[in-house]
Amino acid sequence: DAKTTQPNSMESNEEEPVHLPCNHSTISGTDYIHWYRQLPSQGPEYVIHGLTSNVNNRMASLAIAEDRKSSTLILHRATLRDAAVYYCILRDNQGGKLIFGQGTELSVKP
Amino acid sequence: DAGVIQSPRHEVTEMGQEVTLRCKPISGHDYLFWYRQTMMRGLELLIYFNNNVPIDDSGMPEDRFSAKMPNASFSTLKIQPSEPRDSAVYFCASRYKRGRSTGELFFGEGSRLTVL
Repeated sequence: DAKTTQPNSMESNEEEPVHLPCNHSTISGTDYIHWYRQLPSQGPEYVIHGLTSNVNNRMASLAIAEDRKSSTLILHRATLRDAAVYYCILRDNQGGKLIFGQGTELSVKP
Repeated sequence: DAGVIQSPRHEVTEMGQEVTLRCKPISGHDYLFWYRQTMMRGLELLIYFNNNVPIDDSGMPEDRFSAKMPNASFSTLKIQPSEPRDSAVYFCASRYKRGRSTGELFFGEGSRLTVL
């Protein structure tokens, strides 16, 4: 499985944008980039995913580099409830399993 | 929909005892996954099923662990005998196969296991 690299932790101020980076230099042409987050004492939850084009949904935006070797999850206005561990994952191109890395622990200051 | 339902939420047992964790996936989902989470190792995929058939069990730690899915609405993860190093939060997740690019994974709230 192709690997991803994320910073261990990041800090943000409330109501400011947050850019969470992810490197995936060994991504294959058919791997999708998925983001999940895990709030304290909860199971992970889906945030967003994409292949080549930038994607937006009600939770976040995903910006994918042209060479697809990196991506950035963008939270447009961080709230205290966004404090969580954010995982960047390359989806197995057979459509099966998701392998989680260590993720980025995001803390949000009021 | 009630989401993925796991039981028990918390289990404390003594070393050597048998532990059974249960999972009810979301109705209509045809993939089911078991993950284990510890501080040291993070989230590890143990095993996953497609249409009740185990597809990949390479993450199962050893023979003490076994998982079954007798029907589309129920799965168990069994540890026999349990050891202190099995202490972890065990998550069950399910998804519907809509194609290779989609298929959001829905997680349960987890079962926290403590083996004394």
